[in-house]
Amino acid sequence: DAGVIQSPRHEVTEMGQEVTLRCKPISGHNSLFWYRQTMMRGLELLIYFNNNVPIDDSGMPEDRFSAKMPNASFSTLKIQPSEPRDSAVYFCASSFQDNYEQYFGPGTRLTVT
Amino acid sequence: AQSVSQHNHHVILSEAASLELGCNYSYGGTVNLFWYVQYPGQHLQLLLKYFSGDPLVKGIKGFEAEFIKSKFSFNLRKPSVQWSDTAEYFCAVGSGNTGKLIFGQGTTLQVKP
Repeated sequence: DAGVIQSPRHEVTEMGQEVTLRCKPISGHNSLFWYRQTMMRGLELLIYFNNNVPIDDSGMPEDRFSAKMPNASFSTLKIQPSEPRDSAVYFCASSFQDNYEQYFGPGTRLTVT
Repeated sequence: AQSVSQHNHHVILSEAASLELGCNYSYGGTVNLFWYVQYPGQHLQLLLKYFSGDPLVKGIKGFEAEFIKSKFSFNLRKPSVQWSDTAEYFCAVGSGNTGKLIFGQGTTLQVKP
């Protein structure tokens, strides 16, 4: 099993640009989670999906952030427009809904200048 | 609201010292309990988990944790730490039917050679 796949691994962009982060969960998992990690705020849950449906997006910082899961094998997290304070490592994780054991991807390190 | 509290934010030990990291949660029902480890520059990886049965759980790399229901605790232990155990450790709890985990704020462990 390839595990959770995220792309890109690193992204450097200028303020105001659109950023799209991608995630492919482990095949068969039906829950998908997007997290953000910074030194200041630690690990934060942004949004999660069960069976491709967004369940809780209360962690999304503001309307500049949006996430989609068009099918069971793909999800995107989009930031438009990006700001320097969005600089962080963004992790995607997946699991079987009923057992909570999450598998994390390698993360995308985003730098907004 | 459910919460997870890790008592120690930063722990410094010498090699061969014993380790115990505290974790308490606030939920009275059935819980699934986890410890994750994040090595520098890497993603979170599962260290050990408890779903049911023997409350003393053995994980990878010589780690173990004990679930004490009456104390709402799930402390992580290792009898003799190594320099390679330097990492951040997260306690997490899954409960209810949400499918999501509630993470503690993390404990940074620094092991001096």
